[in-house]
Parts: sequence; structure tokens; C-alpha cells
Amino acid sequence: DGGITQSPKYLFRKEGQNVTLSCEQNLNHDAMYWYRQDPGQGLRLIYYSQIVNDFQKGDIAEGYSVSREKKESFPLTVTSAQKNPTAFYLCASSITVNTEAFFGQGTRLTVV
Amino acid sequence: QKEVEQNSGPLSVPEGAIASLNCTYSDRGSQSFFWYRQYSGKSPELIMFIYSNGDKEDGRFTAQLNKASQYVSLLIRDSQPSDSATYLCAVNDGAGGYNKLIFGAGTRLAVHP
Repeated sequence: DGGITQSPKYLFRKEGQNVTLSCEQNLNHDAMYWYRQDPGQGLRLIYYSQIVNDFQKGDIAEGYSVSREKKESFPLTVTSAQKNPTAFYLCASSITVNTEAFFGQGTRLTVV
Repeated sequence: QKEVEQNSGPLSVPEGAIASLNCTYSDRGSQSFFWYRQYSGKSPELIMFIYSNGDKEDGRFTAQLNKASQYVSLLIRDSQPSDSATYLCAVNDGAGGYNKLIFGAGTRLAVHP
């Protein structure tokens, strides 16, 4: 089946630890996005990529890093510099940057 | 900072009524507009997209776009309890030559029997 797969669904991080969230798509989409959603809030853009080997910071990139070495993959690393990482993380992709985006099922990250 | 504004709600409507959800945006250069539905604890799912001024209908849903007023709306006819969710408005932002998709905070819709 075509789609966007995020893993893991739930992730627990200890203080000071880096963790990496996976996002894979087999839709042959050029553009990919990472958003963060806090309870009762909208989606805030962390990083986005228009094409392989290129990515741009969104509105809340501090404490996060990404790579886009393959078209189908856009992993997000939450570093220890992110002081409040507990949130629902959503990955999305679209054919191009101006077309509709489709979302993965999300990863819920909790700091313990 | 480009913005997409929505009333947070909740918007409460009786079953069978028309629900009207509104969104304003600040970037006059925006060309693409999207409505997503998000159930509690789930990821957003695409409901409608619209690129041109005017109305676009798909089943019980109608999206309306007015670029001069920087306003996009979603009408849901014959509202059902299963329509109860948060509706997110999204707009493409092309500032600086890099297009990105930005979201409003969402409007919570409650359809009561």
C-alpha cells in the first residue's frame, strides 16, 4: 500500500538524550514536512524539504535536526538542546510544495 | 511571520444543520488552500483543497475562497455527529522562494443529536 509511515508510534526519552523519529513515504513525493503539535494547539512547522538533499528550517527548528539523503526518507532528530520535547510529531509529504499534503500516523514523544 | 487565523471554537451545531468554518490568512501571495479534519489523538486527514476564487463542492463539503479578502471557509451541510472534530485550515507560504505549508490552530466542531 502507498502511504507515509512514521515510527515508532510512542517514544520515551530520558533527559539529555537524542532520539530520532522515522518518516518514510512510498508515494514518490518530492516535498516532506515535520510538524509538532502540543495539546489543544495547531501544527507548528519544524523543518521542511522541497527536494532530496535540500531542507529548510521552519518556525521552531531550534533543538531539532533533519536529513534528506533519499527521496522517500526524512528522519527527525530531537536533540538534548530541545528543552520541552514532549509533543505529538507529525510527518507529511506532498507531490510538490504547492499541492495537498498527506500525513503519517504520528509519533507521540514523552520525556521521562 | 505569516499567519493563518481561525476561531478556536467550539462551534456547536445541531445534527442536520450547516456548519460554517472560517479562516483568514496574511500572505497575499498564497496560492493553495486546504482544509483538514483531525479527530482527537489522530493525524490530520485532507478534506478539501481550493486554488481559485469561488466555491468548490465535494459531497456535503463546500470550500469558498476570496483572495481579495484573504478569506477561506468550509461549509458542511447536513452535519452529522461523526463530523465532530477539529478542522484545520492550511495555506501555502511562498516567501523567500521556499514554499511551505502553514496551519491555523484549528476550530473545534461539535455536532449534537
